[in-house]
Amino acid sequence: DAGVTQSPTHLIKTRGQQVTLRCSPKSGHDTVSWYQQALGQGPQFIFQYYEEEERQRGNFPDRFSGHQFPNYSSELNVNALLLGDSALYLCASSLRQGELNMNTEAFFGQGTRLTVV
Amino acid sequence: AQSVAQPEDQVNVAEGNPLTVKCTYSVSGNPYLFWYVQYPNRGLQFLLKYITGDNLVKGSYGFEAEFNKSQTSFHLKKPSALVSDSALYFCAVRDIRDSNYQLIWGAGTKLIIKP
Repeated sequence: DAGVTQSPTHLIKTRGQQVTLRCSPKSGHDTVSWYQQALGQGPQFIFQYYEEEERQRGNFPDRFSGHQFPNYSSELNVNALLLGDSALYLCASSLRQGELNMNTEAFFGQGTRLTVV
Repeated sequence: AQSVAQPEDQVNVAEGNPLTVKCTYSVSGNPYLFWYVQYPNRGLQFLLKYITGDNLVKGSYGFEAEFNKSQTSFHLKKPSALVSDSALYFCAVRDIRDSNYQLIWGAGTKLIIKP
Protein backbone atom coordinates (compact mmCIF):
# COMPACT_ATOMS: atom_id res chain seq x y z
CA ASP A 1 0.00 0.00 0.00
CA ALA A 2 1.63 3.19 -1.17
CA GLY A 3 1.80 5.98 1.32
CA VAL A 4 1.72 9.66 0.48
CA THR A 5 3.98 10.47 -2.44
CA GLN A 6 5.22 13.91 -3.39
CA SER A 7 7.07 15.13 -6.44
CA PRO A 8 9.57 16.44 -7.08
CA THR A 9 11.76 15.83 -4.03
CA HIS A 10 13.95 18.84 -4.67
CA LEU A 11 13.47 21.96 -6.76
CA ILE A 12 15.45 25.12 -7.40
CA LYS A 13 13.64 28.15 -8.80
CA THR A 14 14.47 31.78 -9.44
CA ARG A 15 12.67 34.69 -7.80
CA GLY A 16 9.54 35.65 -9.69
CA GLN A 17 9.03 32.23 -11.21
CA GLN A 18 6.11 29.92 -10.63
CA VAL A 19 6.21 26.39 -9.22
CA THR A 20 3.84 23.44 -9.05
CA LEU A 21 4.22 20.71 -6.46
CA ARG A 22 2.32 17.45 -6.62
CA CYS A 23 0.92 15.03 -4.07
CA SER A 24 -0.74 11.64 -4.27
CA PRO A 25 -2.55 10.73 -1.06
CA LYS A 26 -2.42 7.43 0.75
CA SER A 27 -4.74 4.87 -0.75
CA GLY A 28 -8.24 5.31 0.64
CA HIS A 29 -7.70 8.88 1.82
CA ASP A 30 -9.83 11.69 0.45
CA THR A 31 -8.47 14.82 2.11
CA VAL A 32 -5.20 16.55 1.35
CA SER A 33 -3.56 19.28 3.40
CA TRP A 34 -0.48 21.27 2.49
CA TYR A 35 2.07 22.64 4.93
CA GLN A 36 5.13 24.84 4.68
CA GLN A 37 8.00 24.05 7.00
CA ALA A 38 10.84 26.53 7.20
CA LEU A 39 14.17 25.35 8.49
CA GLY A 40 14.08 24.79 12.24
CA GLN A 41 10.37 25.44 12.57
CA GLY A 42 7.17 23.48 12.82
CA PRO A 43 4.80 23.01 9.89
CA GLN A 44 2.57 25.94 8.97
CA PHE A 45 -0.83 25.07 7.53
CA ILE A 46 -1.38 26.41 4.01
CA PHE A 47 -4.73 24.92 3.02
CA GLN A 48 -6.80 21.77 2.86
CA TYR A 49 -8.70 20.19 -0.02
CA TYR A 50 -11.69 17.88 0.21
CA GLU A 51 -14.11 16.97 -2.57
CA GLU A 52 -12.03 19.05 -4.98
CA GLU A 53 -12.62 22.24 -3.03
CA GLU A 54 -10.45 24.32 -0.76
CA ARG A 55 -12.06 23.87 2.65
CA GLN A 56 -9.80 25.80 4.95
CA ARG A 57 -6.91 28.13 4.52
CA GLY A 58 -4.08 29.28 6.71
CA ASN A 59 -2.40 32.65 6.75
CA PHE A 60 -0.83 32.52 3.30
CA PRO A 61 -1.16 35.03 0.44
CA ASP A 62 -3.10 34.41 -2.74
CA ARG A 63 0.16 33.57 -4.49
CA PHE A 64 -0.38 30.14 -2.95
CA SER A 65 -3.13 28.22 -4.68
CA GLY A 66 -4.07 24.62 -5.10
CA HIS A 67 -6.20 22.06 -6.76
CA GLN A 68 -7.57 18.62 -6.01
CA PHE A 69 -8.42 16.16 -8.75
CA PRO A 70 -11.16 13.53 -8.85
CA ASN A 71 -8.63 10.85 -7.90
CA TYR A 72 -7.89 12.88 -4.72
CA SER A 73 -4.39 13.86 -5.80
CA SER A 74 -3.49 17.49 -5.35
CA GLU A 75 -1.25 20.27 -6.58
CA LEU A 76 0.18 23.27 -4.81
CA ASN A 77 1.01 26.25 -6.98
CA VAL A 78 3.09 29.20 -5.89
CA ASN A 79 3.35 32.27 -8.13
CA ALA A 80 5.85 35.12 -8.09
CA LEU A 81 8.29 33.22 -5.91
CA LEU A 82 10.12 35.06 -3.16
CA LEU A 83 13.32 34.08 -1.41
CA GLY A 84 11.23 33.56 1.72
CA ASP A 85 9.26 30.82 0.02
CA SER A 86 12.27 28.54 0.35
CA ALA A 87 11.12 25.71 2.60
CA LEU A 88 10.11 22.07 2.83
CA TYR A 89 6.57 21.69 1.52
CA LEU A 90 4.68 18.82 3.08
CA CYS A 91 1.55 17.14 1.88
CA ALA A 92 -0.60 15.22 4.33
CA SER A 93 -3.55 13.00 3.58
CA SER A 94 -6.36 11.82 5.80
CA LEU A 95 -9.85 10.40 5.62
CA ARG A 96 -13.01 12.14 6.68
CA GLN A 97 -15.32 9.78 8.50
CA GLY A 98 -18.02 9.55 11.08
CA GLU A 99 -20.95 11.74 11.97
CA LEU A 100 -18.81 14.75 12.72
CA ASN A 101 -16.60 14.28 9.65
CA MET A 102 -13.70 13.65 11.91
CA ASN A 103 -10.48 12.81 10.15
CA THR A 104 -8.13 10.01 10.90
CA GLU A 105 -4.59 10.95 11.73
CA ALA A 106 -2.68 12.55 8.90
CA PHE A 107 -0.04 10.69 6.93
CA PHE A 108 2.73 12.83 5.50
CA GLY A 109 4.78 12.58 2.38
CA GLN A 110 8.53 13.08 2.44
CA GLY A 111 8.15 16.63 1.25
CA THR A 112 9.46 18.77 -1.57
CA ARG A 113 12.47 20.91 -0.74
CA LEU A 114 12.01 24.19 -2.62
CA THR A 115 14.94 26.57 -2.89
CA VAL A 116 14.37 30.02 -4.36
CA VAL A 117 17.50 31.83 -5.54
CA ALA B 1 -7.51 30.37 20.03
CA GLN B 2 -5.89 26.98 19.78
CA SER B 3 -2.22 26.68 20.57
CA VAL B 4 0.48 24.16 21.37
CA ALA B 5 3.61 24.78 23.39
CA GLN B 6 6.71 22.64 23.45
CA PRO B 7 8.73 24.42 26.11
CA GLU B 8 12.06 22.73 25.37
CA ASP B 9 13.90 23.40 22.12
CA GLN B 10 16.20 20.48 22.84
CA VAL B 11 16.28 17.51 25.19
CA ASN B 12 19.44 15.53 25.85
CA VAL B 13 19.23 12.00 27.27
CA ALA B 14 21.75 9.23 27.73
CA GLU B 15 21.02 5.98 25.94
CA GLY B 16 19.09 3.59 28.17
CA ASN B 17 17.64 6.34 30.33
CA PRO B 18 13.96 7.29 30.31
CA LEU B 19 13.00 10.28 28.18
CA THR B 20 10.22 12.85 28.34
CA VAL B 21 9.33 15.44 25.71
CA LYS B 22 6.86 17.99 27.01
CA CYS B 23 3.75 19.38 25.34
CA THR B 24 0.97 21.61 26.64
CA TYR B 25 -2.03 22.74 24.68
CA SER B 26 -4.93 25.14 24.64
CA VAL B 27 -8.24 24.49 22.88
CA SER B 28 -11.77 25.69 23.46
CA GLY B 29 -13.33 22.25 23.50
CA ASN B 30 -11.99 18.75 23.92
CA PRO B 31 -8.69 18.03 22.21
CA TYR B 32 -7.45 15.52 19.72
CA LEU B 33 -3.72 15.24 20.44
CA PHE B 34 -0.95 13.85 18.28
CA TRP B 35 2.78 13.23 18.34
CA TYR B 36 4.84 13.07 15.17
CA VAL B 37 8.55 12.47 14.62
CA GLN B 38 10.69 13.93 11.85
CA TYR B 39 14.08 12.61 10.79
CA PRO B 40 16.45 14.90 8.85
CA ASN B 41 15.15 15.89 5.41
CA ARG B 42 12.12 13.66 5.84
CA GLY B 43 8.41 14.13 6.24
CA LEU B 44 6.61 13.65 9.53
CA GLN B 45 5.82 10.18 10.81
CA PHE B 46 2.82 9.55 13.03
CA LEU B 47 3.72 8.19 16.48
CA LEU B 48 0.52 8.18 18.51
CA LYS B 49 -2.72 9.99 19.21
CA TYR B 50 -5.20 10.64 21.99
CA ILE B 51 -8.85 10.83 21.03
CA THR B 52 -10.72 9.56 24.05
CA GLY B 53 -10.52 6.83 26.68
CA ASP B 54 -7.45 5.73 28.59
CA ASN B 55 -5.18 8.66 29.41
CA LEU B 56 -2.06 6.61 28.69
CA VAL B 57 -1.65 6.07 24.99
CA LYS B 58 0.87 3.65 23.51
CA GLY B 59 2.34 4.24 20.08
CA SER B 60 5.07 3.25 17.68
CA TYR B 61 8.69 2.43 18.55
CA GLY B 62 7.95 1.99 22.27
CA PHE B 63 6.73 5.54 22.78
CA GLU B 64 3.77 6.44 24.95
CA ALA B 65 2.10 9.65 26.01
CA GLU B 66 -0.02 10.63 28.95
CA PHE B 67 -3.00 12.91 28.56
CA ASN B 68 -3.56 15.12 31.59
CA LYS B 69 -6.70 17.22 31.23
CA SER B 70 -6.24 19.27 34.37
CA GLN B 71 -2.73 20.28 33.36
CA THR B 72 -3.62 20.44 29.64
CA SER B 73 -0.54 18.39 28.88
CA PHE B 74 0.33 15.49 26.60
CA HIS B 75 3.94 14.59 27.35
CA LEU B 76 5.72 12.01 25.23
CA LYS B 77 7.66 9.34 27.11
CA LYS B 78 9.80 6.29 26.56
CA PRO B 79 11.19 4.07 29.35
CA SER B 80 14.58 3.43 27.72
CA ALA B 81 15.98 5.72 25.03
CA LEU B 82 17.82 4.52 21.94
CA VAL B 83 20.36 6.48 19.90
CA SER B 84 18.06 5.95 16.92
CA ASP B 85 15.34 7.94 18.73
CA SER B 86 17.33 11.11 18.03
CA ALA B 87 15.08 13.25 15.86
CA LEU B 88 12.73 16.22 15.89
CA TYR B 89 9.45 15.65 17.70
CA PHE B 90 6.27 17.62 17.12
CA CYS B 91 3.13 17.77 19.22
CA ALA B 92 -0.11 18.78 17.49
CA VAL B 93 -3.65 19.46 18.63
CA ARG B 94 -7.03 19.82 17.07
CA ASP B 95 -10.28 20.90 18.68
CA ILE B 96 -12.74 18.00 18.54
CA ARG B 97 -15.39 20.45 17.34
CA ASP B 98 -13.32 21.52 14.34
CA SER B 99 -14.75 19.60 11.41
CA ASN B 100 -12.18 21.10 9.07
CA TYR B 101 -9.25 19.01 10.14
CA GLN B 102 -6.59 21.62 10.86
CA LEU B 103 -3.82 20.62 13.17
CA ILE B 104 -2.10 23.24 15.28
CA TRP B 105 1.57 22.37 15.67
CA GLY B 106 4.16 23.01 18.31
CA ALA B 107 7.54 24.39 17.28
CA GLY B 108 9.20 21.03 17.80
CA THR B 109 11.70 19.59 20.26
CA LYS B 110 15.02 18.22 19.13
CA LEU B 111 15.76 15.00 20.99
CA ILE B 112 19.39 13.96 21.23
CA ILE B 113 20.23 10.54 22.63
CA LYS B 114 23.89 10.14 23.53
CA PRO B 115 25.56 6.72 23.57
